[in-house]
Amino acid sequence: GENVEQHPSTLSVQEGDSAVIKCTYSDSASNYFPWYKQELGKRPQLIIDIRSNVGEKKDQRIAVTLNKTAKHFSLHITETQPEDSAVYFCAASRVSFQKLVFGTGTRLLVSP
Amino acid sequence: GAVVSQHPSWVICKSGTSVKIECRSLDFQATTMFWYRQFPKQSLMLMATSNEGSKATYEQGVEKDKFLINHASLTLSTLTVTSAHPEDSSFYICSARDLRETQYFGPGTRLLVL
Repeated sequence: GENVEQHPSTLSVQEGDSAVIKCTYSDSASNYFPWYKQELGKRPQLIIDIRSNVGEKKDQRIAVTLNKTAKHFSLHITETQPEDSAVYFCAASRVSFQKLVFGTGTRLLVSP
Repeated sequence: GAVVSQHPSWVICKSGTSVKIECRSLDFQATTMFWYRQFPKQSLMLMATSNEGSKATYEQGVEKDKFLINHASLTLSTLTVTSAHPEDSSFYICSARDLRETQYFGPGTRLLVL
């Protein structure tokens, strides 16, 4: 079955710096890759997703890149702010199979 | 964006009792909902996939007689933890899938079994 690895497990940056979180997946048939942000005690919130027919997607300060050949995808956050502090999860799925396989999460801390 | 509600938000119960958790998609129809369990500082562990009008599909290691799932309508799925024990204490989160295949999560239910 699918296996998703996520790195780093923790990431500390200064406000204004960029943050990059990387994930690799094992199932070459996976074609949907969402990223979720989870604040302490709250629900995961979808922040961006990408499908396998594109290599990059941007939404303001957030971008995701996908390398299908290498089977990895990354989340890029620019101009980080303290409110970006949270746990970020990547996930992968074969859309037709429906279920998401999550990475282990990255705890991002943005210091003022 | 799509809204998913979950009720109750927290519950404390005695060992041996059953607890029912509801998951509702408020502004869209969801033929498929998912139930996850999350331990502190850990990732989301899929327990089962709930399909409207049919039996749920459970992940390996999840006892179907322990965690009963019912998906009676396109907007409601329920998870019943039967004969709950302290080891069942956890954060349970549901999600609902929309027509674009996007999953939206409920706010979660914190269960504490004494």
